[in-house]
Parts: sequence; C-alpha cells; structure tokens
Amino acid sequence: GESVGLHLPTLSVQEGDNSIINCAYSNSASDYFIWYKQESGKGPQFIIDIRSNMDKRQGQRVTVLLNKTVKHLSLQIAATQPGDSAVYFCADADTGRRALTFGSGTRLQVQP
Amino acid sequence: EAGVTQSPTHLIKTRGQQATLRCSPISGHTSVYWYQQALGLGLQFLLWYDEGEERNRGNFPPRFSGRQFPNYSSELNVNALELEDSALYLCASSPDYQETQYFGPGTRLLVL
Repeated sequence: GESVGLHLPTLSVQEGDNSIINCAYSNSASDYFIWYKQESGKGPQFIIDIRSNMDKRQGQRVTVLLNKTVKHLSLQIAATQPGDSAVYFCADADTGRRALTFGSGTRLQVQP
Repeated sequence: EAGVTQSPTHLIKTRGQQATLRCSPISGHTSVYWYQQALGLGLQFLLWYDEGEERNRGNFPPRFSGRQFPNYSSELNVNALELEDSALYLCASSPDYQETQYFGPGTRLLVL
C-alpha cells in the first residue's frame, strides 16, 4: 500500500450494507497482496490474500479484487456487521523479500 | 492452535537504555518478522528471520537488531533508545515457503 501520512479515512456504513475499501500500491514488483483488520489494542488479523496471477479471490463474506494495471486493490465485505468495525490495512510485497508495505489504513464504522 | 505470542505487553524505558522484546511464532512456523507501528507512521517493516538467519532488513538504523533461536522464537533488541522509538512493535510468523504473515498482539514500548 501507499503511505499517505497521518490522515486515516473513515468509511461509515449501515449494518447489513456491503462495504468497499480501496487501496493503491506503488511497487510494480509486488506479487503478493493481503488485507488485515486491526481492532483497537490488538495486532493485525489476517482477512484474505491474493497473488498477482489472480484478479479476484473470495472468502467468507469478503472478496478481494486486484487491478494490476492501475495498481489498485479493494476489499468488499458483504452484509457488514458491527463486529466488522475496525481499521483495515492493505499490504503488498515482493514475495522474495517478504517485507510487507502497508497502506495507511481505513477506519470502518458500522452503524447499527 | 495458539497464535503468535509476544512479551512483555508493555515496556517503559528511558532514553539511552536498551529494550529487548520477545516473540514466539505459531507452532510449525519457521519465519519471524518484526514491524514497528508508530503513531502517524503506520506499520513499517523492520526485520525478517528464517532458519536463524536475517533474510531482509527494513530502513532502520543498526541499533535495531535481533536474532532467531533454534526453536524459531525471536528477540528484537533496540539499543540507545530515542523518544521516537515509542511505538507498538509487532511480531508476525509464517510457515516455511508461505508468504501469509500472522501477527501477534504486539509490545507497546514507551521511551521517556
């Protein structure tokens, strides 16, 4: 992901709606992409990952889309629940080097 | 299955002192990674250890160092502490030949 400084964008959605969180990355050599969820006072929790030979991958209630042409990654959460409220980070890496580059994060707020 | 564990949970030091942070990976994982999460700077890659060897290092000064033991646990040492070293230090682990990194809860270091 790209480091964009101190600003932490916030996405506010209603419970039951679908959420889409977007992320840009800058390293053309990155071939591995991953989304994490971080709740206050906890470490990042793995959500879903995708390799550069794919453009879509689905998990339980989550889908990751990868557009390598424009270096863009998105996370879709279906039927968002209050427990989904957290900060979401995208990260990318060149798998040979394993150093994840994290985006600045997006705060997801789910309104009941 | 137990996750990544880190100790201590909190650590308070004064400027110029040394800090030692510890990490135990998920059972069966051979790679350990260290990241710094400082306020306003996001998550930044510090170090990657695999099979006892340092495999990659982020853009941090040499006073940040570490090691990995034969049981795959790891230590991060920070010498000559500076105020700006105050941060959450996160450890992650991954299985052999796999890129997915699973994070621990972190050690919060405060330098006074």
